[in-house]
Amino acid sequence: EIVLTQSPATLSLSPGERATLSCRASQNLNSYLAWYQQKPGQAPRLLIYDASNRATGIPARFSGSGSGTDFTLSISSLEPEDFAVYYCQQRSNWPTFGQGTRLEIK
Amino acid sequence: QVQLQESGPGLVKPSETLSLTCTVSGSSISSGYYWGWIRQPPGKGLEWIGNIYHIENTDYNPSLKSRVTISMDTSNNQLSLKLSSVTAADTAVYYCASLYCSTTTCYDRIFGYWGQGALVTVSS
Repeated sequence: EIVLTQSPATLSLSPGERATLSCRASQNLNSYLAWYQQKPGQAPRLLIYDASNRATGIPARFSGSGSGTDFTLSISSLEPEDFAVYYCQQRSNWPTFGQGTRLEIK
Repeated sequence: QVQLQESGPGLVKPSETLSLTCTVSGSSISSGYYWGWIRQPPGKGLEWIGNIYHIENTDYNPSLKSRVTISMDTSNNQLSLKLSSVTAADTAVYYCASLYCSTTTCYDRIFGYWGQGALVTVSS
């Protein structure tokens, strides 16, 4: 099983600030990493796939980077609707998810 | 656009079999796409249960493989999930999902469309 470790567990920021979320894998993923956003009571929404590709309709303030075992999701300037839980997920092997990072309003 | 809707009993007794259906609209489930099930215990993270593709091909989470069956009903354009011998640890919101397709390519094991989820509680 490929284990994904996300950090920090909780990130407290203000609207307009830049957010940087990390995901570290226990094995080499090449670029097979995705990011999802989940709001309370909703299903996850795909943001980024294969490390750096924005999914259809995702705003340009969301960007992904990394390869191998270290990956980053960046949100350039936080909007009020961006405060949510973010999960990374790998597809290098059978899919596994990170434990999530909660992005909360400071 | 693909739409998915989970349905099934919200309460299952311990040791019994959990059964859920996912009704798909906007796409034929026999189109060759990947279709998956993912679950989320209350207040916790996401766990992949398994995928089905090309009607008969399935992949399962090794930790659940002995108890899980995912199948297709092409006549009704539905997916089904069966999880046997359930315990309280199987209490979760269960999501069905389909793979993501860009304008040019479809990507297996990336979940682009999700149902709203169905809460299943295991309790006597």
